[in-house]
Amino acid sequence: GAVVSQHPSWVICKSGTSVKIECRSLDFQATTMFWYRQFPKQSLMLMATSNEGSKATYEQGVEKDKFLINHASLTLSTLTVTSAHPEDSSFYICSAREETIEQYFGPGTRLTVT
Amino acid sequence: GQNIDQPTEMTATEGAIVQINCTYQTSGFNGLFWYQQHAGEAPTFLSYNVLDGLEEKGRFSSFLSRSKGYSYLLLKELQMKDSASYLCAVLDSNYQLIWGAGTKLIIKP
Repeated sequence: GAVVSQHPSWVICKSGTSVKIECRSLDFQATTMFWYRQFPKQSLMLMATSNEGSKATYEQGVEKDKFLINHASLTLSTLTVTSAHPEDSSFYICSAREETIEQYFGPGTRLTVT
Repeated sequence: GQNIDQPTEMTATEGAIVQINCTYQTSGFNGLFWYQQHAGEAPTFLSYNVLDGLEEKGRFSSFLSRSKGYSYLLLKELQMKDSASYLCAVLDSNYQLIWGAGTKLIIKP
């Protein structure tokens, strides 16, 4: 149990376009979902925390207008990178948590902006 | 501020034992996690400690001392597939995970 999926697993887009990444909890209801970004050889960096039905809480330094997060249901959260630029190229990972404290991670999405 | 320290890189030999240390200073403590992350993949859960002592799970064990702000992950009978990064993360008073930078473990034959 406790499976989290992400789609797409990798995406290449042109600079200036927007990309949407989906995160789904497949067999549990995720009251909280987290979005992380990870650059090569660096640790995970939390971007934002979202609770179902409410606005996401962004970490300091993360532009909320650029990284749009929607947590419309207990099993789905989306991250939209708007007007992507090459510096946004990274590995984006979501995780989900139900009532317990453990976070279950999705497989990640590798974004390359050309 | 909140801080988690772990070595950047360690090297060990196949079949041997290695201990990866983690020290932390956080606002509150609701447990410490160890995750394994292979290159290009998401982290996978290894262990969770909230009480002092040693938790053993197969070849992997994790130890916690809350008074010292210290934990270690012990890997026995190392296999080549254990080559990965090992991330220490603490759940703070807001139930938010604070991540260490990770320890890259290199296993040599």
